[in-house]
Amino acid sequence: GAVVSQHPSWVICKSGTSVKIECRSLDFQATTMFWYRQFPKQSLMLMATSNEGSKATYEQGVEKDKFLINHASLTLSTLTVTSAHPEDSSFYICSARGGGQGQSSYEQYFGPGTRLTVT
Amino acid sequence: GQNIDQPTEMTATEGAIVQINCTYQTSGFNGLFWYQQHAGEAPTFLSYNVLDGLEEKGRFSSFLSRSKGYSYLLLKELQMKDSASYLCAVRDRRDMRFGAGTRLTVKP
Repeated sequence: GAVVSQHPSWVICKSGTSVKIECRSLDFQATTMFWYRQFPKQSLMLMATSNEGSKATYEQGVEKDKFLINHASLTLSTLTVTSAHPEDSSFYICSARGGGQGQSSYEQYFGPGTRLTVT
Repeated sequence: GQNIDQPTEMTATEGAIVQINCTYQTSGFNGLFWYQQHAGEAPTFLSYNVLDGLEEKGRFSSFLSRSKGYSYLLLKELQMKDSASYLCAVRDRRDMRFGAGTRLTVKP
């Protein structure tokens, strides 16, 4: 199956600083990437959807100025948490959907997740 | 919008069969997915249904009834390693949303 990587796998930062999380599709071109957030013992909540070369579409209640998403290429999307606060501590998971040669257009492939702790 | 409901927790015995139900409401249905998620890890894909009926894949099977907005995941010959959360996810025309997940505990 297709591989999606995330970096870093975990990060601890101080309140007020910014953190960038990278999501890469390693062996396919991701036309669409999704960012989810998961709090302990809860399900994945979709934060935003991004298509390569266009602005991300944010879900209701997600601050686009706080969670900056860039999808500059077909293999890379980044999520930057700006001015992080302790309540932003969570498990952030990206997902990529391809549709190119050899890839199923229906399946989303998940990255391993990034655990963010804001102190 | 989407409403996706599944039981919060289930317990079953090793070697047994368990069925995890999922009901949903959505506009523009474009597929239903089941994922397995172990604590602290990302979800892994289990199954995909877009037409009515049963899809079988080894010990796991998934069923879909679009008219009823209903799906289930069937796990046979349960093993201890099957203890995990099972997420039902529904795709519409735009994106995919997840249910809250069912935490399955397999006991010896």
